[in-house]
Amino acid sequence: KAGVTQTPRYLIKTRGQQVTLSCSPISGHRSVSWYQQTPGQGLQFLFEYFSETQRNKGNFPGRFSGRQFSNSRSEMNVSTLELGDSALYLCASSLGSGRNNEQFFGPGTRLTVL
Amino acid sequence: GEDVEQSLFLSVREGDSSVINCTYTDSSSTYLYWYKQEPGAGLQLLTYIFSNMDMKQDQRLTVLLNKKDKHLSLRIADTQTGDSAIYFCAESFAGYSSASKIIFGSGTRLSIRP
Repeated sequence: KAGVTQTPRYLIKTRGQQVTLSCSPISGHRSVSWYQQTPGQGLQFLFEYFSETQRNKGNFPGRFSGRQFSNSRSEMNVSTLELGDSALYLCASSLGSGRNNEQFFGPGTRLTVL
Repeated sequence: GEDVEQSLFLSVREGDSSVINCTYTDSSSTYLYWYKQEPGAGLQLLTYIFSNMDMKQDQRLTVLLNKKDKHLSLRIADTQTGDSAIYFCAESFAGYSSASKIIFGSGTRLSIRP
C-alpha cells in the first residue's frame, strides 16, 4: 500500500506570494491533517479535513486555508506569504474514525520564503 | 489547556538504554504516541499506548504511562546508531467520529556516542 505523498517536496517563494501544497493520503483514509514544523515552534496543528469538510482547526491566521477533494486528496494554501511561514509542512492521513486515530505522515514539503 | 513537554536533548552511549520523558497537561487524552523523525523525513509512528494502560512493550521499546502524574516515557533498549533521531511525544483527543487532533511535544533529539 502506497504511503502518504506530498508535492512538491521543496518550494522557494518570495514574500507576498501565495503557495499551494498537495497531499495524497493512504488509500482508504478519509482524514487528512496538516502540521507546520519550525525549529522555534515545533510541530503545530493547522487543520484537519474529513470527508471534504474541515473538522478541526488550530490557531493559525486566515491566510492558511485548505480543502479536501472527493478522493480525499487535500491541498493547503497560504496567501500573502511572510518570512515566518518558512517551515516544513507535514500532512498526515488516518482513517478518521474509531478510537485510535493513528496518523501516518508524509515526508513533508519544505517551504522557504525569501 | 493542552500542553506536552519534553527535554530537548539526550545523549547516550551505544548499547545503553535510552529513556525519553514527556509530561502532558490534559487528562482527557485517549491515546499517547511516540513518533520518530529522522533528518529530512516525516514522522514515523513508533508505538502508542491507550490512556488506561500502564505499560506497553514492543521489542526494544517500552512505554510507561503514569496517568496520575501525567508522565509518559519511552525506553529504548540496546540503543544503536540508527536510533539517532528526534522523538516526539503526542497526545490525542480522538474519540468515535470526533476530530483527530493531536498535540505534539517539542521533540527530544537523541544522539548516540560510541
